Amino acid sequence: GDSVTQMEGPVTLSEEAFLTINCTYTATGYPSLFWYVQYPGEGLQLLLKATKADDKGSNKGFEATYRKETTSFHLEKGSVQVSDSAVYFCAGVSGGTSYGKLTFGQGTILTVHP
Amino acid sequence: DVKVTQSSRYLVKRTGEKVFLECVQDMDHENMFWYRQDPGLGLRLIYFSYDVKMKEKGDIPEGYSVSREKKERFSLILESASTNQTSMYLCASSPSTGGNQPQHFGDGTRLSIL
Repeated sequence: GDSVTQMEGPVTLSEEAFLTINCTYTATGYPSLFWYVQYPGEGLQLLLKATKADDKGSNKGFEATYRKETTSFHLEKGSVQVSDSAVYFCAGVSGGTSYGKLTFGQGTILTVHP
Repeated sequence: DVKVTQSSRYLVKRTGEKVFLECVQDMDHENMFWYRQDPGLGLRLIYFSYDVKMKEKGDIPEGYSVSREKKERFSLILESASTNQTSMYLCASSPSTGGNQPQHFGDGTRLSIL
C-alpha cells in the first residue's frame, strides 16, 4: 500500500534559521501531496499542497516541490520564527477508490527558540 | 472557508460509559473521517464514510462505531469506554469530486476516560 516516510524529529532551531523537513511518498500511482501543521492544542491545518509533478506549493513563507523522480515533497522555509513552533505532517492521497483517505507521515515536532 | 466543528474540545467520561463524539461540516463534503492521535503513534484512522449511511473501517476500528444519518454529521461512538481510549480525537472531511482533495480538520476533542 501507500506509505509516507517523514524526517524524524524533534527539530530545534534558532529564530531566522533555515528549515528543511524531508518527506518521501511511495504509491502505485501519482498522488497529490500535502503538508499540514498542528499548533499546540489544535487540529491540523492545511499548510500547502501539490497535485502533480513539478508543482510547487507555498504558504506563509513555506515551500515544497513535488519531485516526480523521487516522489519527494520536502518542506522548506528560509527564516523560521518562534510562531512556527508546531508539529508538521506530510500526507498524500491517491485517486481511484481511495475515498480520499490520506496516508500520513509520523509528524515532525519543530521548536524554534528566540 | 470549510468549517469542521467538533462538539467538545475537552471531555471526561468514566469507564464503561457510552460516549458520543459529534462532528459537523458545512461544505457539503461526501467524505468524512475519524482519527485518534497519540504521542509517538501519529494519526490513526478509526472509521470513514463516503456517503450518508455508508461507513468503512479504518486501521483501528475495535471498540468504536460510527453513524452518518445526514451528510453533514458524522458521529463516533465508544460503545463501552475504556481507559486505553483516552486520546485526542480528530474529525475531518473532504469532497469526492475535483481530483485528490485535501482533508479539512476540526479542532479536536481531547477525551479522558477515568
